[in-house]
Amino acid sequence: QQQVKQSPQSLIVQKGGISIINCAYENTAFDYFPWYQQFPGKGPALLIAIRPDVSEKKEGRFTISFNKSAKQFSLHIMDSQPGDSATYFCAASSPPETSGSRLTFGEGTQLTVNP
Amino acid sequence: DTGVSQDPRHKITKRGQNVTFRCDPISEHNRLYWYRQTLGQGPEFLTYFQNEAQLEKSRLLSDRFSAERPKGSFSTLEIQRTEQGDSAMYLCASSLESEVYGYTFGSGTRLTVV
Repeated sequence: QQQVKQSPQSLIVQKGGISIINCAYENTAFDYFPWYQQFPGKGPALLIAIRPDVSEKKEGRFTISFNKSAKQFSLHIMDSQPGDSATYFCAASSPPETSGSRLTFGEGTQLTVNP
Repeated sequence: DTGVSQDPRHKITKRGQNVTFRCDPISEHNRLYWYRQTLGQGPEFLTYFQNEAQLEKSRLLSDRFSAERPKGSFSTLEIQRTEQGDSAMYLCASSLESEVYGYTFGSGTRLTVV
C-alpha cells in the first residue's frame, strides 16, 4: 500500500532556479513530514521536516509548504545549485506510540541542477 | 562523530546462501531501525529495536529474515536462503528515544544475489 506519493520522478533545473517537489499522503494519522536528501552510495540524510500544525517551514534555501486539508506537502529549493543534485525523498510518520516512528517514504525525485 | 556504521558495504552472494549484515549505531542512541531500499524506490521499513527489544516487524520481514540486537548496541540482520528478490540496499538508522524522529542513517549494505 503506497501511502505517500511523490512527483515528479525526475527534475532538471538550471543553476539559480527553483526546484519544486510534491508529495501527497493518505493516512491522516501522520504527524511528522520530513524530507531526506540522498547522494549515490550514501544513506538518506535529513534535510528539513514539518509538523501539520504549521503551513510552512524555511531553513536556508529549503522550504516546506504544508496543506493539511489537501493532504499535500512540497519541498522548494531556492537558488538551486549543482551541489543540490541528488535524490530527494519525502516521508511521513505516525506518532511514536502508534508506529514506533517508522517512516513511510515516497518513491523519490532525482534532481539534476545544470551549471 | 562516527555516525552509523554498516558492514560490509557491498555483498555479492549466490542464491540460496545465508548472509549477515552488521550495524553499529551512534553510541548513545537506544533506537535502531532497519530499512530496505530497492533501486529507484524509497526505503521501506523492516524492523526496529529499542535497546535490545525488537518492538515491531514489517510484513516485509519474512521468516527468512532475522534481526538481533543482543546487548542493545550493535545489531545484525541475517537473511537465510537468499533469493534474487532480496537484492537491495539494506539501511540501518538510529535515534534517541527522546528524539524519535531524529534518524541518522548509515550508508547501507548493498546486497546482490546472483
